[in-house]
Amino acid sequence: NAGVTQTPKFQVLKTGQSMTLQCAQDMNHEYMYWYRQDPGMGLRLIHYSVGEGTTAKGEVPDGYNVSRLKKQNFLLGLESAAPSQTSVYFCASSHARGTSGRTDTQYFGPGTRLTVL
Amino acid sequence: ILNVEQSPQSLHVQEGDSTNFTCSFPSSNFYALHWYRWETAKSPEALFVMTLNGDEKKKGRISATLNTKEGYSYLYIKGSQPEDSATYLCASWGDEKLTFGTGTRLTIIP
Repeated sequence: NAGVTQTPKFQVLKTGQSMTLQCAQDMNHEYMYWYRQDPGMGLRLIHYSVGEGTTAKGEVPDGYNVSRLKKQNFLLGLESAAPSQTSVYFCASSHARGTSGRTDTQYFGPGTRLTVL
Repeated sequence: ILNVEQSPQSLHVQEGDSTNFTCSFPSSNFYALHWYRWETAKSPEALFVMTLNGDEKKKGRISATLNTKEGYSYLYIKGSQPEDSATYLCASWGDEKLTFGTGTRLTIIP
């Protein structure tokens, strides 16, 4: 049982380049999330998904797109990377046993450290 | 926007001592309070999820209490050990999303 995995672990991009961060979970979780972690700030929700084929905006969605074509995968895309997107990105998933996921434990991946030059 | 605050930001504790730290959150529209433990170079791991006022949860030497009326939760560690060194995150569910605090970074001095 691998839990939540993320690829790549590290990435350096030039301004304007695009890339996709990949997240996979093998726990059959309904809900999946993308967060970013910046110094001095708490984890901030970028986008989330409550099931296959559905996505929704979180607190800081601008500059990112997501897709959830398969239940186990949640992809985060940067179409035109900017230095402000330099951050550590965490994917998480949860069972959604509680109402709207409120009381669900979220299981986190190891993170992707992204630097945009 | 929900503001979840944790104090202190960092803490150094002698091995064997007990310690505690605070998570404050808006009490309106509150639904649940989560605590996570985050070791350096690893993923955050869940400790507790609490919903009821007065609730107390325990896991080994770590326990947490919840006051939803005044909007705070305490995390206690009894008899600190070096393996307790980590950042402890709290997150409050309100307004249909989970908002994280910036964490308390705990270092245990052998």
